[in-house]
Amino acid sequence: SQTIHQWPATLVQPVGSPLSLECTVEGTSNPNLYWYRQAAGRGLQLLFYSVGIGQISSEVPQNLSASRPQDRQFILSSKKLLLSDSGFYLCAWKPGVTYNSPLHFGNGTRLTVT
Amino acid sequence: GEDVEQSLFLSVREGDSSVINCTYTDSSSTYLYWYKQEPGAGLQLLTYIFSNMDMKQDQRLTVLLNKKDKHLSLRIADTQTGDSAIYFCARPDTGFQKLVFGTGTRLLVSP
Repeated sequence: SQTIHQWPATLVQPVGSPLSLECTVEGTSNPNLYWYRQAAGRGLQLLFYSVGIGQISSEVPQNLSASRPQDRQFILSSKKLLLSDSGFYLCAWKPGVTYNSPLHFGNGTRLTVT
Repeated sequence: GEDVEQSLFLSVREGDSSVINCTYTDSSSTYLYWYKQEPGAGLQLLTYIFSNMDMKQDQRLTVLLNKKDKHLSLRIADTQTGDSAIYFCARPDTGFQKLVFGTGTRLLVSP
């Protein structure tokens, strides 16, 4: 069966520090991968998605970047964090070859920028 | 457009039925999904319905789809305190690469 891992679970970082959040998927090949951010326990904002290694689509201009160095690894980064980067970050995947598939989410990373 | 809208908040008593509503704008044939998010956790897929169906029942959950009005609802029978969470409806975007999520409905169940 497929599983998705996201770490760390919580992170407190000072303003101006770098960020690296990692997400890996097991039990599948060539998945679509996604990074979402959720502010104030409410709506989901799609940040990035990837349909293959090295292929990254950015949904909103921001202080963050994403990379996919391996088929089942998706990394969210920042060179210098802003206070507004605080939030709950969720990684998700779905089978890449199918349409109409639901997304499967990781447990999330709570980022607090101080 | 691809907007998906939900009411923000619902409060019910334990044992009552809860009905969470969702409206959408795109009418292409597709699946529509309901997710549940418990505090501090990721989103869990609850159930789904294909757009050629009017209703789907899964234990305490009933999904109703009104294609004419582009309205989707999730009914939870005999609501329990463990059902307290945020509920999101979602549908694929026109390219079927992403899901468009509603704003989420926070369900509070009181004893």
